[in-house]
Amino acid sequence: DAKTTQPPSMDCAEGRAANLPCNHSTISGNEYVYWYRQIHSQGPQYIIHGLKNNETNEMASLIITEDRKSSTLILPHATLRDTAVYYCIVRVGAGNNNDMRFGAGTRLTVKP
Amino acid sequence: GAVVSQHPSRVICKSGTSVKIECRSLDFQATTMFWYRQFPKQSLMLMATSNEGSKATYEQGVEKDKFLINHASLTLSTLTVTSAHPEDSSFYICSARTFNQPQHFGDGTRLSIL
Repeated sequence: DAKTTQPPSMDCAEGRAANLPCNHSTISGNEYVYWYRQIHSQGPQYIIHGLKNNETNEMASLIITEDRKSSTLILPHATLRDTAVYYCIVRVGAGNNNDMRFGAGTRLTVKP
Repeated sequence: GAVVSQHPSRVICKSGTSVKIECRSLDFQATTMFWYRQFPKQSLMLMATSNEGSKATYEQGVEKDKFLINHASLTLSTLTVTSAHPEDSSFYICSARTFNQPQHFGDGTRLSIL
């Protein structure tokens, strides 16, 4: 599976956009980019995923570069409740045994 | 959105006790369920994968006789930590998915063995 690299920590001002980068230079053609986040003492929460096109939902936007070697998760208006560890995971999309393997993630702190 | 319920949320018990944790998919049928463990200040580590009606597949280093997994239906999987000891104290998290959909996670069970 392709490995991902994320900065260990980031800060963001409340109300501003939070842009979380992820490098996945060895991604293969059938691997999707998934983003999850984990708020302290809770289970991970699914945010968004994509293959090659940019994606947007009610939580966030996912921008994937044309060569698919990196992506950015965008929280358009960060709130204090967005403080969490954000995980970027690359996995094959289809198939029953598509388990998520978690790296260290990025600890995002939203400050007032 | 998809909801995964995990119970209990917290367990404190004596060394040598066996502890059962339940994981339910509330609004979808989960073809596959996963069990993770997370130690303080560390990331989640996959323990095992189970498909309904078949034996679980354990990750390297995870003792199958220690961590018994049963996936008897499309909405329920259980993890039993047998003869638990203090080193088994951890945050156990389950997740569930149906074919071609993202995994959704429960809120975890904090297990403390005295």
